[in-house]
Amino acid sequence: GAVVSQHPSRVICKSGTSVKIECRSLDFQATTMFWYRQFPKQSLMLMATSNEGSKATYEQGVEKDKFLINHASLTLSTLTVTSAHPEDSSFYICSPGQGANTEAFFGQGTRLTVV
Amino acid sequence: KQEVTQIPAALSVPEGENLVLNCSFTDSAIYNLQWFRQDPGKGLTSLLLIQSSQREQTSGRLNASLDKSSGRSTLYIAASQPGDSATYLCAVSDYKLSFGAGTTVTVRA
Repeated sequence: GAVVSQHPSRVICKSGTSVKIECRSLDFQATTMFWYRQFPKQSLMLMATSNEGSKATYEQGVEKDKFLINHASLTLSTLTVTSAHPEDSSFYICSPGQGANTEAFFGQGTRLTVV
Repeated sequence: KQEVTQIPAALSVPEGENLVLNCSFTDSAIYNLQWFRQDPGKGLTSLLLIQSSQREQTSGRLNASLDKSSGRSTLYIAASQPGDSATYLCAVSDYKLSFGAGTTVTVRA
């Protein structure tokens, strides 16, 4: 299966600061990257879809100015949580889009804690 | 909007017992259904992928069935082991994945 590297795996930041999460596809070129968020005891929720060379598509209720997504190359997509607040504390995880009918693979996830 | 439900939310069984995990979804227009395993604080590991045209998939002690018309899938894990303790998630794909909240399994030695 696809190899996806996501880091950092854990980050603690102060309220008001920004945090960048990187997701790399190591063995293939990903034109699309899905970013999910998971709160404790809840399911993964799609936040946004990044597309290489174009603007990301955000799901309803997700603030695009707060969650900045960049997909600068076919192997790297980044999610920046700007002006983080404690309610942004969550588990963030990426998954490269490989086609509608293919197996999905995920990065290792990033546990963000905002204090 | 696709809604995915997993029942039960938690399950505790003695080692050796078979596990039955249920997943239901509201919109049958899917490409596939996938089962994942998630260990605490970790990412997702893909277990089985069932295409919409398939009825089941098997891998080792794992077997997953799919009844698309009724919007149901079941994951069977035979002869459970303590190492099977984890949260199991199902997700349906219409290109984007919609996830259930998961079933947390504890296998007691």
